[in-house]
Amino acid sequence: DTAVSQTPKYLVTQMGNDKSIKCEQNLGHDTMYWYKQDSKKFLKIMFSYNNKELIINETVPNRFSPKSPDKAHLNLHINSLELGDSAVYFCASSRYRQTDTQYFGPGTRLTVL
Amino acid sequence: DQQVKQNSPSLSVQEGRISILNCDYTNSMFDYFLWYKKYPAEGPTFLISISSIKDKNEDGRFTVFLNKSAKHLSLHIVPSQPGDSAVYFCAARAFQGAQKLVFGQGTRLTINP
Repeated sequence: DTAVSQTPKYLVTQMGNDKSIKCEQNLGHDTMYWYKQDSKKFLKIMFSYNNKELIINETVPNRFSPKSPDKAHLNLHINSLELGDSAVYFCASSRYRQTDTQYFGPGTRLTVL
Repeated sequence: DQQVKQNSPSLSVQEGRISILNCDYTNSMFDYFLWYKKYPAEGPTFLISISSIKDKNEDGRFTVFLNKSAKHLSLHIVPSQPGDSAVYFCAARAFQGAQKLVFGQGTRLTINP
């Protein structure tokens, strides 16, 4: 059983397009996250949701919009894709206030041409 | 401004010897430190952690050391095994309105038979 799953695994698209990445966790966790691993390999948090409520919103362009339809899902929608958005995006989840032990999905490699 | 840094992008160690991975941080408000391990095409998985009130934590072959005055932590793996070959991420927990993890850029460890 996959604990945290992401779809798609790979995404290749043209500049200016809009795309979504989906994330689902079956661990019963209350908190979910999106991270971006950039070209320098740092994993940087973008957003965090707790029970569908946004609790962390780092300095991310407003072209990125997370959507949490329920506490098991946190999708990431990106408008007007730019070359610099090319990266690996990881979804993660944890129990509320147990930020240290996060469970990560396998990642989505986004390539913007 | 990267608050957590792993200055060695890669490390190669012979099987059976000790592997030492290093991590430096700049924010004295970090209260908890973690190591995550990542295999190719998978998300990071939690390995071991240490509270800022301790200077050592051991779990089997893995030991994490924390030197707060130097703002430095290290992960020791002994003896190293081929299955330890992976990318290791150092992370630190901060509370800035909400809890979040700040990750380093990872060190790729290769264990040679």
